Amino acid sequence: SALTQPASVSGSPGQSITISCTGTSNDIGGFNYVSWYQQNPGKAPRVLIYEVSKRPSGVSSRFSGSKSGNTASLTISGLQAEDEADYYCSSYTSTTTLGGVFGGGTKLTVL
Amino acid sequence: EVQLVESGGGLVQPGGSLRLSCDASGFTVSRNYMSWVRQAPGKGLEWVSITYSDGNSYFADSVKGRFTISRHNSKNTLFLQMTSLRTEDTAVYYCAKNRDSYLDYWGQGTLVTVSS
Repeated sequence: SALTQPASVSGSPGQSITISCTGTSNDIGGFNYVSWYQQNPGKAPRVLIYEVSKRPSGVSSRFSGSKSGNTASLTISGLQAEDEADYYCSSYTSTTTLGGVFGGGTKLTVL
Repeated sequence: EVQLVESGGGLVQPGGSLRLSCDASGFTVSRNYMSWVRQAPGKGLEWVSITYSDGNSYFADSVKGRFTISRHNSKNTLFLQMTSLRTEDTAVYYCAKNRDSYLDYWGQGTLVTVSS
């Protein structure tokens, strides 16, 4: 994948976890167009964060995004059992005519 | 309310063709950017194509020259025509609406299986 995510992360209910997403100056580092998606098994992805740190209406404030250099991060605070899912980052990139590129995805396990 | 409904998936032999449909409601397809994203079984998301409001479409290198996009504006439908299908094209195909830099609405997906 063009963007690198950890394959898995885990945390206990109530804790906070952070998922990283590393790219290059051609994507994450060069533009503030990072988005994050949550995907439950057998379901379509849904957007959690766009433009690095903005939340669409209806998304819990427990989800937050940030960026530093070529790495973006998704933080989930007050972890809940329902947060167990796959998470994907995406970024606009100057190296393709497509809309963007995705990370490989991170499986979040709530212990 | 925005809704996207894909259809047309199924089992096809290698080298065969298939046309996927994405029926949209709640917005006008021809006035928005639209994308197709696929997910192979147990794998991550892969951007397949993007279609701009001017009708121009761009494709991932993995499908370039084999996949094309068309629109039926009066039916508010987007089509993904897939030819010369390969086993590695096996995936769930999602239609999604672009909003600026991200995908704000997704369909439920349709499964394409390429196998002999």
